[in-house]
Amino acid sequence: DAGVIQSPRHEVTEMGQEVTLRCKPISGHNSLFWYRQTMMRGLELLIYFNNNVPIDDSGMPEDRFSAKMPNASFSTLKIQPSEPRDSAVYFCASSFRTGVGFTEAFFGQGTRLTVV
Amino acid sequence: TQLLEQSPQFLSIQEGENLTVYCNSSSVFSSLQWYRQEPGEGPVLLVTVVTGGEVKKLKRLTFQFGDARKDSSLHITAAQPGDTGLYLCAGPLSNFGNEKLTFGTGTRLTIIP
Repeated sequence: DAGVIQSPRHEVTEMGQEVTLRCKPISGHNSLFWYRQTMMRGLELLIYFNNNVPIDDSGMPEDRFSAKMPNASFSTLKIQPSEPRDSAVYFCASSFRTGVGFTEAFFGQGTRLTVV
Repeated sequence: TQLLEQSPQFLSIQEGENLTVYCNSSSVFSSLQWYRQEPGEGPVLLVTVVTGGEVKKLKRLTFQFGDARKDSSLHITAAQPGDTGLYLCAGPLSNFGNEKLTFGTGTRLTIIP
């Protein structure tokens, strides 16, 4: 397995533009997470899917952010319109949820987003 | 409010020294994980602890889960430059009956050759 695949690796966009980040989780995993990492706030959980269903989106900053998981092998995180404060590294991770928690979370290499 | 507090936030020590970093919460975990993240990469799992009081060793790294399953520590013996990185603890925290994998604030470790 190639691991969690994210695209693009880097994205530079102008304020106000729409940005779409993509993620392909590891086959067989039933949980998918979108995290945002900054120096100031660390690794923040934005949204969590279990079996393709959004379970907790309480970390999504505001209505400008939306995430979808149309099937078990693909998820997107969209920001519209983007703002400079959205600049961060966005990670997608997948795992297998068990009865007592989660197995290892495998992370993609992240998308470094810069909004100018 | 951070549910998983790690300390220290930054640590810089000489090669060969020992160190301990901590992960604390007021919540009880069913399990706890430690990850290490290197620049430009995503976090990578080091260990999972499940039982209160459990101690796991990974070469020079020793992980301990608190008896009450609210805290954990990572001890590194004879630190080496390759240990440099961001160390993160993570746990499945419940939110209205749903568990989500939440990460701590992180300890950024630098080992000076």
